[in-house]
Amino acid sequence: EVQLVESGGGLVQPGGSLRLSCAASGFTFSSYWMHWVRQAPGKGLVWVSRINSDGSSTSYADSVKGRFTISRDNAKNTLYLQMNSLRAEDTAVYYCARKEDDSSGFGYWGQGTLVTVSS
Amino acid sequence: QSVLTQPPSVSAAPGQKVTISCSGSSSNIGNNYVSWYQQLPGTAPKLLIYDNNKRPSGIPDRFSGSKSGTSATLGITGLQTGDEADYYCGTWDSSLSAEVFGGGTKLTVL
Repeated sequence: EVQLVESGGGLVQPGGSLRLSCAASGFTFSSYWMHWVRQAPGKGLVWVSRINSDGSSTSYADSVKGRFTISRDNAKNTLYLQMNSLRAEDTAVYYCARKEDDSSGFGYWGQGTLVTVSS
Repeated sequence: QSVLTQPPSVSAAPGQKVTISCSGSSSNIGNNYVSWYQQLPGTAPKLLIYDNNKRPSGIPDRFSGSKSGTSATLGITGLQTGDEADYYCGTWDSSLSAEVFGGGTKLTVL
């Protein structure tokens, strides 16, 4: 069974940093591109970033480009999101997600971890 | 402001049918597959439809998807109170080089 478990969320001051982790199990982690998607309280889904299977290629939403860094450790089956220069508008539940095989849709999601940026 | 446009809310009675629209452009829906997600309160999104009209295993055939031009539609028949949720469309945007979602539609089963 595919499992994605996020951790690392919490309360951080504006301008601060936080690193999120997503522990993956139940599939060959090193074979899949992985994504981060966030959802501000009461708002819709917003794609944040993605990384290819070996970590050599990444892309970001314009809103986080230059501040967030996605990475992965295939030996530890773990996805990361390093978030720097955090702003109030980064407050959200952050989900890691994976697409289903041969599919355009995100078939697997973690439970999410809440990041709150506030003084 | 979301790249894909959905109605904020729709409602229908139990047992009835409802459709949810998702409007985009040639850089997203017009040239890429569309997916649909259901999000129950306090839970992660769940994939309902992928590649415009395919259902993952375990998703009942009450849920259907279609696409025409730069718009897509989610259909739900035989509405149940358990279908009350937020529904999102999503696709790839070739101009933005980013995954994009609609703003979400809240379904109320009256």
